[in-house]
Parts: sequence; C-alpha cells; structure tokens
Amino acid sequence: DTAVSQTPKYLVTQMGNDKSIKCEQNLGHDTMYWYKQDSKKFLKIMFSYNNKELIINETVPNRFSPKSPDKAHLNLHINSLELGDSAVYFCASSQVALYSTDTQYFGPGTRLTVL
Amino acid sequence: DQQVKQNSPSLSVQEGRISILNCDYTNSMFDYFLWYKKYPAEGPTFLISISSIKDKNEDGRFTVFLNKSAKHLSLHIVPSQPGDSAVYFCAASASNQGGKLIFGQGTELSVKP
Repeated sequence: DTAVSQTPKYLVTQMGNDKSIKCEQNLGHDTMYWYKQDSKKFLKIMFSYNNKELIINETVPNRFSPKSPDKAHLNLHINSLELGDSAVYFCASSQVALYSTDTQYFGPGTRLTVL
Repeated sequence: DQQVKQNSPSLSVQEGRISILNCDYTNSMFDYFLWYKKYPAEGPTFLISISSIKDKNEDGRFTVFLNKSAKHLSLHIVPSQPGDSAVYFCAASASNQGGKLIFGQGTELSVKP
C-alpha cells in the first residue's frame, strides 16, 4: 500500500538506449512531479503535471518526455541516454499544484546508471 | 544559482542533545519552507514546514525557526535520537510557482548513542 511507487528501483543501461521509469500514486492527488538528484546530491525539479496537464517544465533536454496517462500516473521517458543522465530520479505527488503549502510526497527513487 | 543553501554537509551530535540544522535562502519571493528527512535508498519524507507569516513552528521534538530579515531558517531537534540519523533537506517554494520546490544540498546528521 505504498503511497508513491516507482519502477524500476535500479536501471543500468548503455549510452544511446531509450528507457522509461514509471510512477504511480494512490493518494488521490492531482499533481505529480519528477525530480533529479545528481551526483552532488542536489534535488532539482524537472516536470510537474496537474490532472494530466503540464504545469512545470524546467530546462530539461528534449530527450526527456513525461507522459501522464491519468492523474495517478506520471511516467518519464528518456531517449538517447547519455552518461550525464546517470542520477537518482524521484517522483512525487501533492494534492494541488497551485498552492505552495501543499506537501509533496516522494517515491523511493530510481537509480539510473548509464554506461 | 543556488537559491537555497545548506552550508554544513554533515553534523554529528550526541544522543539526547540538541541538533541544529541551518539553511539560508536568497529569493525573497519564497513564502513557504519545508524540511524533509531522507534515509539511504528511500525517498525524502516530509518532516515539518513553516509559512513566511510565522517565525516558529513546533511539532513534537522538531521546531523550525524562520528569520526572514536574515533569510535564514533552522531546524532544531530536541532531544536527538539515533533514529534521527539521516540526511535533512531544506526546501523553499513561492506561491506563484505552481508548487515548485527548491532544495538545498542536504545535511547529513549522525546521532551517536
């Protein structure tokens, strides 16, 4: 009964491949996010979706494309993987995107390693 | 451009003592601040938050203090317990930014028995 779940937990792949990370939340939240934690441990927002609509799109390469089939799911597709994409990717969700006071709940993370 | 900074990468405290974790920010538009706790191989979990209209918020052993003029906040844990050992992230958001959280780089707290 995990609130925010991600699959896979670990992903090792070769440069140039295309991969996807899935995220699901069972909290009934309207908004979902993707964050990237780089080697320096900074957590940086990449995208957010509110009810399947893109709200936040930070300066992220076009190779990264979020897809939200419904408000409980936000998947991250990455094309033509590069070494610099190696990081831990966290999915999160919150009730509403419009108010900064809504607590974000994070998934366990997906550690992506590009060889 | 680091808008939220945690200048101490690590902190070691004796069990039962007070732990004080610090955070500085530069963006005066931030109006909500949060602390998250993270164990290895897990996602961050929400700990405590404070709105910019307050200067203190308390929840059990955890208290967050906000000094808006200094653009500084701190998290106090009293008394510290070994189970508090984790990485603590400070985060900030502005009400017109659609829930976007800006995180500091974290402080690793070690509470020794």
